[in-house]
Amino acid sequence: GQNIDQPTEMTATEGAIVQINCTYQTSGFNGLFWYQQHAGEAPTFLSYNVLDGLEEKGRFSSFLSRSKGYSYLLLKELQMKDSASYLCAVRDGDYKLSFGAGTTVTVRA
Amino acid sequence: GAVVSQHPSWVICKSGTSVKIECRSLDFQATTMFWYRQFPKQSLMLMATSNEGSKATYEQGVEKDKFLINHASLTLSTLTVTSAHPEDSSFYICSARGKAETEAFFGQGTRLTVV
Repeated sequence: GQNIDQPTEMTATEGAIVQINCTYQTSGFNGLFWYQQHAGEAPTFLSYNVLDGLEEKGRFSSFLSRSKGYSYLLLKELQMKDSASYLCAVRDGDYKLSFGAGTTVTVRA
Repeated sequence: GAVVSQHPSWVICKSGTSVKIECRSLDFQATTMFWYRQFPKQSLMLMATSNEGSKATYEQGVEKDKFLINHASLTLSTLTVTSAHPEDSSFYICSARGKAETEAFFGQGTRLTVV
């Protein structure tokens, strides 16, 4: 099975940077995903890491260390619309995704 | 990215009735579809995985006779919640993956309320 941990809540100021950590213990690993989910909506894809290192995509970056079972999502230049839940998900060899409980990020003016 | 369409977006039904939710891949052939359930303030929990033309594989604790999944074509999978109860009220989300795809794409989700 998969055990995925991420903080429950984070608060940051508009324009700031926030880092959301995710640690995982898995029985199989075939990539780690980050999704953004607004209340009442389906998750939207943010990033995918399968090799160690940093993937940068605009204001969002994601890092993976497979040996440490660790990833983070970095959100830069925070905007009010970034207030949402951020989900860390690990994929196994059967392409099944196991999700963490999600981190609710609140951006304040 | 590829488009996955899920219908209906929301549905209210009476206890004891059945509800069918459709998940369609609009611009690719979905060899695998996944069905998730999400209760308020909780994360997505995988219910079952279905491959086109074969029986769905259910996760532990999910009743296969209550949650009927059909994946009869490469573009359509359906989830039928049978004999619905108020505790089945939840957000149901499908995702679909094509054979050559790295990721699976999510539908919009269906908010089910059983009264």
